[in-house]
Amino acid sequence: KQEVTQIPAALSVPEGENLVLNCSFTDSAIYNLQWFRQDPGKGLTSLLLIQSSQREQTSGRLNASLDKSSGRSTLYIAASQPGDSATYLCAVANFNKFYFGSGTKLNVKP
Amino acid sequence: DTAVSQTPKYLVTQMGNDKSIKCEQNLGHDTMYWYKQDSKKFLKIMFSYNNKELIINETVPNRFSPKSPDKAHLNLHINSLELGDSAVYFCASSQDHYSNQPQHFGDGTRLSIL
Repeated sequence: KQEVTQIPAALSVPEGENLVLNCSFTDSAIYNLQWFRQDPGKGLTSLLLIQSSQREQTSGRLNASLDKSSGRSTLYIAASQPGDSATYLCAVANFNKFYFGSGTKLNVKP
Repeated sequence: DTAVSQTPKYLVTQMGNDKSIKCEQNLGHDTMYWYKQDSKKFLKIMFSYNNKELIINETVPNRFSPKSPDKAHLNLHINSLELGDSAVYFCASSQDHYSNQPQHFGDGTRLSIL
């Protein structure tokens, strides 16, 4: 069964810092990997989706990479801002099943 | 314009009651999902419907019954509520079940069982 792990569980950084969030998964036969952002009391907002045939995706200050063979993905956030404070979750799709990590809670201090 | 909307946002009820949560999406998507997020923030898929047909039915007690009257709606009915059912329930949708399109989530329904 697929297991998704996110490290660290929580991260606090000063504004302006570049940072990396990690996601690992045990079964490399994935369909795609998606990064989400969850604000308190809200649903999930999709940030980036990487198909299994892709190595990375970029959107603004966000860059997500995927290494299927090693079962890893990273989300890079450049020049972090207080508005980036949220919980970030990764999810992998094994054809018709979806597995989520428990998230990394990010706090960007002004 | 809310893409995926759930009602109610909060639901507080007694153990043993029956309750329903409604979900509607206006994105024209074919696939809808129900997820449960527990107190430790783990999100776990419960059900998935593609064009009103059940695709995924994870190990969920049969007290939980999804109903999809049309592909824009996926409601969740829960019978004989138990304390362990307290969680946040999220509805989501995607273009279809087999494409590489992102899922869109509603804001969740916080269910509290007294």
